[in-house]
Amino acid sequence: QKEVEQNSGPLSVPEGAIASLNCTYSDRGSQSFFWYRQYSGKSPELIMSIYSNGDKEDGRFTAQLNKASQYVSLLIRDSQPSDSATYLCAVSRGSRLTFGEGTQLTVNP
Amino acid sequence: GAGVSQSPSNKVTEKGKDVELRCDPISGHTALYWYRQSLGQGLEFLIYFQGNSAPDKSGLPSDRFSAERTGGSVSTLTIQRTQQEDSAVYLCASSLGGLGYEQYFGPGTRLTVT
Repeated sequence: QKEVEQNSGPLSVPEGAIASLNCTYSDRGSQSFFWYRQYSGKSPELIMSIYSNGDKEDGRFTAQLNKASQYVSLLIRDSQPSDSATYLCAVSRGSRLTFGEGTQLTVNP
Repeated sequence: GAGVSQSPSNKVTEKGKDVELRCDPISGHTALYWYRQSLGQGLEFLIYFQGNSAPDKSGLPSDRFSAERTGGSVSTLTIQRTQQEDSAVYLCASSLGGLGYEQYFGPGTRLTVT
């Protein structure tokens, strides 16, 4: 079992729709959870962090965490073509981040 | 403010040569990390520095890999006797602290071993 698993994708949504990205993790001791966006040929860019159960909203992005189910998600509202990228879920227990393999999102105009 | 910087942005080297990759973290960030990203392997942790010490170097794939950090700032990742499987993008990240803090990545160094 992989430590961090994400939807294999690719995920395609029309412009203006909600994109939903999911992630599960195996280490129950994980304490910190992050979503990164990575454009092709670029490095990962932090878009959301979440540390406690529930929802955290930042603009068009909402991160959701359920530690009992070991599940993290990212919702992107009013998706734009500029949101087309690979989204990486990352989890940490201590200092290091463990990444999922990413979900490629395409937003179609 | 300035983000994490890395140099060189690209490095092509012959198999068997040594290479040095440099990372300059965000000012004031005490923690520094090296990761690498390659096709088929995803993004994998290499080493973590808190200040100048490396409490976690468990991700270094072999003894050909070493890293140091001086002055609590700049870090150098050295790969000796490079092999083709070392070809990857080497990413540096920094954070305010070491436990659960948000990590910010530099642009990476693309290493190609021919």
